[in-house]
Amino acid sequence: DAGITQSPRHKVTETGTPVTLRCHQTENHRYMYWYRQDPGHGLRLIHYSYGVKDTDKGEVSDGYSVSRSKTEDFLLTLESATSSQTSVYFCAISAQGSKDTIYFGEGSWLTVV
Amino acid sequence: GESVGLHLPTLSVQEGDNSIINCAYSNSASDYFIWYKQESGKGPQFIIDIRSNMDKRQGQRVTVLLNKTVKHLSLQIAATQPGDSAVYFCAETLGGFKTIFGAGTRLFVKA
Repeated sequence: DAGITQSPRHKVTETGTPVTLRCHQTENHRYMYWYRQDPGHGLRLIHYSYGVKDTDKGEVSDGYSVSRSKTEDFLLTLESATSSQTSVYFCAISAQGSKDTIYFGEGSWLTVV
Repeated sequence: GESVGLHLPTLSVQEGDNSIINCAYSNSASDYFIWYKQESGKGPQFIIDIRSNMDKRQGQRVTVLLNKTVKHLSLQIAATQPGDSAVYFCAETLGGFKTIFGAGTRLFVKA
């Protein structure tokens, strides 16, 4: 168990509504990530954080924003959800960036109708 | 939860046999590799890792082999058990925050 809690675990929302997914870690790791996982694709990086208030974009960041106000919490926000954002979202952490093992949470299943 | 990876390649093995799952990675500059196991409705779980200065690494019932010449990674599972049924995927790290994940292989263990 990597000490990562995601909430909510399942959510159905309507197109155009804002959605925030939360990630909480108890490992005190510096690096946190949000990935999405879709059928036929490998995990794709949305945003990552390398410290409090330090964040950057990943390869599929359009339509998403993040915030990290505390070491242990990393929030992912969909400002106006679209059907293409229906996916499984995974929060992940690592101690030393990509040179170190990335550990994943249990996932948040989001359906946009 | 929903199942992801509905169209993945599948490997079917008999319980007790050894399994070999292969992965072709993309970048010769990648220097760190990880294998993950993902069960339906759960997050990816770390199995074993290997750095580019090694060719082989063993864990409990698992072995990872790295062939840098052909950019190939394999995961061997000894005495496969029903609990090993899952999707397995590899990841390669190029440095910085560039980690590339494969789509995975579904392992099916027949009792």
